[in-house]
Amino acid sequence: DTEVTQTPKHLVMGMTNKKSLKCEQHMGHRAMYWYKQKAKKPPELMFVYSYEKLSINESVPSRFSPECPNSSLLNLHLHALQPEDSALYLCASSQVRLRIYNEQFFGPGTRLTVL
Amino acid sequence: GENVEQHPSTLSVQEGDSAVIKCTYSDSASNYFPWYKQELGKRPQLIIDIRSNVGEKKDQRIAVTLNKTAKHFSLHITETQPEDSAVYFCAASRGLNNNDMRFGAGTRLTVKP
Repeated sequence: DTEVTQTPKHLVMGMTNKKSLKCEQHMGHRAMYWYKQKAKKPPELMFVYSYEKLSINESVPSRFSPECPNSSLLNLHLHALQPEDSALYLCASSQVRLRIYNEQFFGPGTRLTVL
Repeated sequence: GENVEQHPSTLSVQEGDSAVIKCTYSDSASNYFPWYKQELGKRPQLIIDIRSNVGEKKDQRIAVTLNKTAKHFSLHITETQPEDSAVYFCAASRGLNNNDMRFGAGTRLTVKP
């Protein structure tokens, strides 16, 4: 399996809802990432997990809560979002090899709309 | 932190012509420079990358050059085809695991048949 998968593909939620985005990979990668991509903009790094530990948090608001339950899964829990949080949320994964340049593989994304 | 600038924001070429996209970066510690292609509604896909110890890399119709002194790198696509039409992002990262990747703003390339 050489793909990163994400569910759901689309999500519409109200500002008071709680929902979760899921990401899965079976390539043995030990680094996983969440990016946010607004229309006509580049992906923006949100979180990085390395060996299931959070290693980078790009000052993301606490209404976004990441979780890495095991080396294949990455979740993003959403609560009390704002309409401006509507975007494409991309998950990516890569190997972790020191001093080696590790290609990131992206999932297809979850298109989130906050009403 | 790293800041990556990308130009032009849009580029239109005739089929068969060459296309060049340029990026500059600010962090001299950056050492890995990938290029991603993103078609409408699809995920970003790596098309070529270059590392700081290499000045140029080529893969068929695609080439990338890196000038570490000037902190800029470029993507060159020759003999463009309509299926090359997409948004192209450059990126830069540093660190032992180069996992703190920062993207340029993107270039929308249109190849006219």
